Amino acid sequence: EPEVTQTPSHQVTQMGQEVILRCVPISNHLYFYWYRQILGQKVEFLVSFYNNEISEKSEIFDDQFSVERPDGSNFTLKIRSTKLEDSAMYFCASTAAPFGGNQPQHFGDGTRLSIL
Amino acid sequence: DAKTTQPPSMDCAEGRAANLPCNHSTISGNEYVYWYRQIHSQGPQYIIHGLKNNETNEMASLIITEDRKSSTLILPHATLRDTAVYYCIVRVSHGGSQGNLIFGKGTKLSVKP
Repeated sequence: EPEVTQTPSHQVTQMGQEVILRCVPISNHLYFYWYRQILGQKVEFLVSFYNNEISEKSEIFDDQFSVERPDGSNFTLKIRSTKLEDSAMYFCASTAAPFGGNQPQHFGDGTRLSIL
Repeated sequence: DAKTTQPPSMDCAEGRAANLPCNHSTISGNEYVYWYRQIHSQGPQYIIHGLKNNETNEMASLIITEDRKSSTLILPHATLRDTAVYYCIVRVSHGGSQGNLIFGKGTKLSVKP
């Protein structure tokens, strides 16, 4: 069964450094998402992406964050200058169509980001 | 905020059916009910979804009440590997949404030997 894959599984970064999290969505999917989960808390939506542009973003997704689909397969989340509070699990998801099209999102197993 | 209410935790004996309830009294007519689970900080795993009819797949069954204000996820023969946090989610229904998911705290299901 096709999967969403994320790399790396664990990223340790010094505060203030830039970090890029990578995702390979399921190949025929068109809509891509990033979520995060701070340890012990709920999964939170960050951003959705379609047709090479952001469709929707949450309050968390401020100017320090950016997303890109640099080629036909990868979908990346960049945090420009990391803060301690960015430490979390980051999950990528993809779907063939948004929920209006009755298609579920499928998630990767996440990248654990640890900011020192 | 999540539009659903779930009990924080439940126990189930291995081999028995696990019935996980969810209230979504403010659900709109065109909103689906989705169920996901998260096993020990892995990524959320899609289980099943439905609009108004009951649904069944290889993982579970979904029973939605006629007024659609509540639903029950049924795992027919729970195993230890079904121990997880289960999330009931209705689609965010504002115009132009690409369907981002709003997760609540879910129900922590513990399957015991």
